[in-house]
Amino acid sequence: ETGVTQSPTHLIKTRGQQVTLRCSSQSGHNTVSWYQQALGQGPQFIFQYYREEENGRGNFPPRFSGLQFPNYSSELNVNALELDDSALYLCASSFRTSYNEQFFGPGTRLTVL
Amino acid sequence: AQTVTQSQPEMSVQEAETVTLSCTYDTSENNYYLFWYKQPPSRQMILVIRQEAYKQQNATENRFSVNFQKAAKSFSLKISDSQLGDTAMYFCAFMGDSNYQLIWGAGTKLIIKP
Repeated sequence: ETGVTQSPTHLIKTRGQQVTLRCSSQSGHNTVSWYQQALGQGPQFIFQYYREEENGRGNFPPRFSGLQFPNYSSELNVNALELDDSALYLCASSFRTSYNEQFFGPGTRLTVL
Repeated sequence: AQTVTQSQPEMSVQEAETVTLSCTYDTSENNYYLFWYKQPPSRQMILVIRQEAYKQQNATENRFSVNFQKAAKSFSLKISDSQLGDTAMYFCAFMGDSNYQLIWGAGTKLIIKP
């Protein structure tokens, strides 16, 4: 059984650029959630995808967008990067029917200069 | 809106001691789930223990147990016989039955000293 994987591990961008982060869900999981964890803080929910559609969104602006693919993998896109977007981005997958069991990937550390 | 509060930014105990991490939450929902996650320096969030609000019995997983007080909206984690590998950030989290997002506390940094 393959766990949740994320890529890349780290990346550095400059303000105003765009970035795409990727997540492969655990085998069989059909729901993917994304969280932003700023340094020294707890994660904050960005959005969740199920059946390739957004299914719930936290308090994040529209420049944060996502996709889910037929194989349940997912992308998080952030446009017009700001310095405050520097954070660890965590992806979690789950079965829709057992949504409270979320399994996390190792995260992507994004630094915006 | 739901909130989760962890009032202990950092705790430190000797190996083999017992330590209790505190968490309080606020919600108007009657059914929900509470979690403790561990985040070691490797950054990967690992589920330690989960409690369903409608279950009165406190959850236990080996050396980890919780004290769930629904009326007081309190959910503390007790780690018995602490080990060096328990050193990590510990996050308390809440999930309501009406949505699927986790609401997190700010975390407690736990240091186990040899």
